[in-house]
Amino acid sequence: ETGVTQTPRHLVMGMTNKKSLKCEQHLGHNAMYWYKQSAKKPLELMFVYSLEERVENNSVPSRFSPECPNSSHLFLHLHTLQPEDSALYLCASSQEGPRTSGGYTQYFGPGTRLTVL
Amino acid sequence: AQSVAQPEDQVNVAEGNPLTVKCTYSVSGNPYLFWYVQYPNRGLQFLLKYITGDNLVKGSYGFEAEFNKSQTSFHLKKPSALVSDSALYFCAVRTPGNQFYFGTGTSLTVIP
Repeated sequence: ETGVTQTPRHLVMGMTNKKSLKCEQHLGHNAMYWYKQSAKKPLELMFVYSLEERVENNSVPSRFSPECPNSSHLFLHLHTLQPEDSALYLCASSQEGPRTSGGYTQYFGPGTRLTVL
Repeated sequence: AQSVAQPEDQVNVAEGNPLTVKCTYSVSGNPYLFWYVQYPNRGLQFLLKYITGDNLVKGSYGFEAEFNKSQTSFHLKKPSALVSDSALYFCAVRTPGNQFYFGTGTSLTVIP
C-alpha cells in the first residue's frame, strides 16, 4: 500500500444526494490533491492543498467542494451531481518545499469509484 | 501549450520479450518526469522518476526509463516482460512552474 487511504471505495448516488469522499495520508506529507479519472482521458487535477491552504482550483464546478482540515485529511463534498461526474476519484499526497528530496513524487490512494444515477 | 503524449493506447508484447511504452512531452525548461502504473481497481503506483543526472533511470519491478532531452522523450522499458506487468501505464511531467500533467495512459498486455 502507498500510505494513502480513501473511503468509500465505491459510491452510488442520485443526482439530489449529498455525499463526501474521504482521504487520509500516513506519510507526513504537506500537500494533498484530488484528481478525476475518466476513461480515455488524462487525469484531471481538481484541487491542490499545500500546508492546508487551497492553492489550485482548476475550474471545477461548484457542486464539488473540497475541505482540508489538517495536513493528513482531505475531503471532497459532493452535491447535486450529474451523470457525467461518474468517474474514479483519486487522492494523492506529496512533500513540497525546500526539504523535498523526493522530487515532488505524488503517492496515490486506491480511489473512489463514483456512479451518479 | 504544455502537455504529455502517450502515442499508443495499447501495447501487446509476448512474455519474456523486451517492452517499451512511449512518452513524449512538451514543456518549457527542465521538467521532472515520472512513470506510474495502475492495476485494475487500484490507484496509481509510482514506478520511477527523472530529476537530473544520468539519463537512464532505474525503478521498481525491473523497469527503467531513458530521458532524451533532444527528442523530449521519456520511454519506459523492461528487458523481459512478465504477465504480471499487464496494467495501465501513465507518464507524467512536473513543470518548473510546479504544474503536473499526466498522459492518457497506455494499456500494456503481456501475452503468455
